[in-house]
Amino acid sequence: DGGITQSPKYLFRKEGQNVTLSCEQNLNHDAMYWYRQDPGQGLRLIYYSQIVNDFQKGDIAEGYSVSREKKESFPLTVTSAQKNPTAFYLCASSIQWGTNEKLFFGSGTQLSVL
Amino acid sequence: RKEVEQDPGPFNVPEGATVAFNCTYSNSASQSFFWYRQDCRKEPKLLMSVYSSGNEDGRFTAQLNRASQYISLLIRDSKLSDSATYLCVVKAGFQKLVFGTGTRLLVSP
Repeated sequence: DGGITQSPKYLFRKEGQNVTLSCEQNLNHDAMYWYRQDPGQGLRLIYYSQIVNDFQKGDIAEGYSVSREKKESFPLTVTSAQKNPTAFYLCASSIQWGTNEKLFFGSGTQLSVL
Repeated sequence: RKEVEQDPGPFNVPEGATVAFNCTYSNSASQSFFWYRQDCRKEPKLLMSVYSSGNEDGRFTAQLNRASQYISLLIRDSKLSDSATYLCVVKAGFQKLVFGTGTRLLVSP
């Protein structure tokens, strides 16, 4: 079955530690996205990638980094510079950037700080 | 003013009731509108796109009012399984999607 797979489902970060969230899709989509969701807030865009080997900062990119070396994969690293990382992280993809196509989401990763 | 605003609710309704949510947007250049459904701690899923002429999908009806810059979602004959958070999503041209904070619906027996 085609879809987006995020792992792990739950992740704990120690202070000063970098952690990486995995996102893999087999939908052959060009565009991929990372969102952060906090209670009582809408989804906020962290980074997006319109095509392989390219990515752009979203609204809240500080303290995060990404790579897009393969079309299928768009991992997100939460660095120690992100002082408030506790949130629900959602990866998504769409056929193309800028079209009216719907977003397909992964099942999310809940990141908490120890 | 937020780009997309929704009443957070919760809306508490009995089974079989009709319930409506509104969502206002501030960017008059917005061209694409969507309703997503999100269950607790799960991923959002597209419920329906919203077209200028309004559209219906079973018990769900979506409307767009460009003059007043809002979209609405009407749910008829509410089911227990409709309990979820409904996210309003707006897009202006090739710009990124903007998500509302969501409206929580609780349907009780």
